[in-house]
Parts: sequence; C-alpha cells; structure tokens
Amino acid sequence: GENVGLHLPTLSVQEGDNSIINCAYSNSASDYFIWYKQESGKGPQFIIDIRSNMDKRQGQRVTVLLNKTVKHLSLQIAATQPGDSAVYFCAENKNKLIFGTGTRLQVFP
Amino acid sequence: ETGVTQSPTHLIKTRGQQVTLRCSSQSGHNTVSWYQQALGQGPQFIFQYYREEENGRGNFPPRFSGLQFPNYSSELNVNALELDDSALYLCASSLVRGESYGYTFGSGTRLTVV
Repeated sequence: GENVGLHLPTLSVQEGDNSIINCAYSNSASDYFIWYKQESGKGPQFIIDIRSNMDKRQGQRVTVLLNKTVKHLSLQIAATQPGDSAVYFCAENKNKLIFGTGTRLQVFP
Repeated sequence: ETGVTQSPTHLIKTRGQQVTLRCSSQSGHNTVSWYQQALGQGPQFIFQYYREEENGRGNFPPRFSGLQFPNYSSELNVNALELDDSALYLCASSLVRGESYGYTFGSGTRLTVV
C-alpha cells in the first residue's frame, strides 16, 4: 500500500558530525524516491532523488542509499551545519508525491 | 526563472465559509499539484492538474476543488470549511513529459478555520 514512513521523529547532532536520516517504504514496486528539506515557514525543497535502478547517489554533502531488499532508504549529510536544521521528508514519486511523516534534524554547536 | 508563488500567505476563515487559494507555477512547468500539510505531518496529496484537467486525486472530499488556467496557474477552492481543514496548503509545479521531472514547491498558504 501507500506507506512511506520514518524511524525517528527527531535527530540531534553536533555541528560537524555526519547525520543519517532513515526511511522505510512498503510497496516493493516503488521505483523513484525523493528527499526534501523543509525549513520553518517554507515549502519542501528538493535535496536529492534516486531511482530503483541505483543503490546509491551522491550530491553536495549528501548521499542517498536505497536498499530494495529491505525497502529502506537513507539520507546521509556530511559535516552537518546549523543551516541543515530542518524537517526532512522522504517521498515516493508515483505521478504524485507520497510523503512520510518527517524527521526533525537539530544541529547543536 | 521565477519559482512557485502562493497567495495569500495566511488566512483565517470561519467554519462553513468558502476559501480560494492561488498559485503561480514556475516558468516552464505545465503541471500543478496541491498538498495539505497538517501540523507535524507530511504533506498529503489533494489533486493534480495538467492541461487544465484534473489528473489524479487523493483522498479528499468533493468540497475540495480546483482549476488550472491556460498560463498554468491554479486555484484551490474549499467549500463548507471544517475545523480540520486548518493546515498549510502547498502548491507544487512540475514539468511532465511522459513522467514528472521534479516538483518545485511554493511556501504555502497557512489556513486557520475557527
């Protein structure tokens, strides 16, 4: 069914450390995922996407890993900065976006 | 290149009233989607418009309706407002050529129903 969910509602990390945000999905036919960042008072902002023919994709300071065997994806943020503080959503793209609940990332000095 | 703009940014309405929210698409995009985001939740898909026709709908009652105009801008109309309609309403535009090529979101309209 349509179920994209997250393991942790809040993640607190120290500035400079790496962050890992996890997401599980239930539909084995899902083939296109997107990570979004949403800052307070703003709409979701595209971070990175991945299709099911890949298991890893890298961007600037971010990496998305997709494990189709266990239906799990993760977003890794390297050298986390205060500006990374936001709510992060994974979403499945099936001609509409199916969002999970979100994980709040808090970065402390 | 302009992004997605939504108006108004905030709105307070009384239960039973009707509301119209507006969205201007990003330049070059031909599809508009609307999402409802309750506090502390992820956005929920309401519907999508492509070539001025509804092209997909989520689990929302008929009192949620929309329009897309020839310039690809869009309106979301909600009739008979209920308290549970209080949420952030997000508009997202995208370019569809067979499949979607990413969505650009506006900052949303915060609707409060009292």
